[in-house]
Amino acid sequence: AQTVTQSQPEMSVQEAETVTLSCTYDTSESDYYLFWYKQPPSRQMILVIRQEAYKQQNATENRFSVNFQKAAKSFSLKISDSQLGDAAMYFCAYRSAGAAGNKLTFGGGTRVLVKP
Amino acid sequence: DARVTQTPRDKVTEMGQEVTMRCQPILGHNTVFWYRQTMMQGLELLAYFRNRAPLDDSGMPKDRFSAEMPDATLATLKIQPSEPRDSAVYFCASGLGLPGAHQETQYFGPGTRLLVL
Repeated sequence: AQTVTQSQPEMSVQEAETVTLSCTYDTSESDYYLFWYKQPPSRQMILVIRQEAYKQQNATENRFSVNFQKAAKSFSLKISDSQLGDAAMYFCAYRSAGAAGNKLTFGGGTRVLVKP
Repeated sequence: DARVTQTPRDKVTEMGQEVTMRCQPILGHNTVFWYRQTMMQGLELLAYFRNRAPLDDSGMPKDRFSAEMPDATLATLKIQPSEPRDSAVYFCASGLGLPGAHQETQYFGPGTRLLVL
């Protein structure tokens, strides 16, 4: 079974600065997808970014980018130019690419605090 | 702006009562997932459907939980009888799973916060 680990329960960042959230996962599969979801106090789960394991290029979405290290099974999220609206819980998630493996396996989450 | 909707947003009930949570997936999506979020267990999958057929409900306590899709626009999660340990936020998510294609992003609803007293 796959596991996802987020080792940082909480991270604090100054507004306009950069913060990096770590995520590691354990899998024996070679084809899979990785995601970062944001959960603000409204509790809505919002997709931030997605990475396909077969792509070497790191995904980026505006101020959000990932550092995907497949051999190390690491998938960190970098938030640049942090804004107050970035304050939320961030969850890393894994999904197998196999036809039967559509469920998401989540890490425990990292709370991001943004200081004005 | 297509989105997953869930009702009710919050539910307080007494132990032993039946609880029904509803989800309307994004129009055209053919996979529906139910997740539960608790402080202790985090986010965990309860069940999921593809083309209205249940594919995996191994994460769901069978004796009291049931999940159905009466039609393509409605998914339900029912707890009967409810217990205090069922208190959690229940999320529905939907996605578009195409035959032979791996790409499928899950879009989440706002969740139903359940409190069983």
